[in-house]
Amino acid sequence: GNSVTQMEGPVTLSEEAFLTINCTYTATGYPSLFWYVQYPGEGLQLLLKATKADDKGSNKGFEATYRKETTSFHLEKGSVQVSDSAVYFCALSDRTSQGNLIFGKGTKLSVKP
Amino acid sequence: GAGVSQSPSNKVTEKGKDVELRCDPISGHTALYWYRQRLGQGLEFLIYFQGNSAPDKSGLPSDRFSAERTGESVSTLTIQRTQQEDSAVYLCASSLAGTNTGELFFGEGSRLTVL
Repeated sequence: GNSVTQMEGPVTLSEEAFLTINCTYTATGYPSLFWYVQYPGEGLQLLLKATKADDKGSNKGFEATYRKETTSFHLEKGSVQVSDSAVYFCALSDRTSQGNLIFGKGTKLSVKP
Repeated sequence: GAGVSQSPSNKVTEKGKDVELRCDPISGHTALYWYRQRLGQGLEFLIYFQGNSAPDKSGLPSDRFSAERTGESVSTLTIQRTQQEDSAVYLCASSLAGTNTGELFFGEGSRLTVL
């Protein structure tokens, strides 16, 4: 069945460091891929998405590229800020799931000043 | 409010009791989802509503779990005869339509602790 695997956390970085959070997936067909973020005390919210191979999703300085050949959707940011501290979830949906998303376990990021 | 609202935010109950968790979706959102997040785990899909019908109940873990939705409004997730393994954060999300746009709007969750 479909699944998402993302790197285990927690990840602790200093401000302005480069961030990569790895995400790989297993899916039949051609899924859409997403990164959701959960800031402390808030609900999950969509950060970025990509709907087909080689698409790049971007938002708030974060980027992720849909790589079909490596079944990956790694999240990157060139210079993190303290305000980026949150839990990040990689997710996929496919045409048969009626909008249901399959999530990874989440990666907690802490950015120190 | 503008967002998805869930209540209670925290619930502590004794093993064997029934609990009801409530979700108020964003007005006009036809699709509604329930997920469960156990400690250290990802989000586990439970059930999906399109309007007040539930085309996908595949994620409900046992017959102790049930959910209903009134029209395109409030949904209630009921857990009967709670067990300790039911302890988790129960998340509700809504979206404009049950398509694969992927933009689900989540509430802050209801944290259930079964003693």
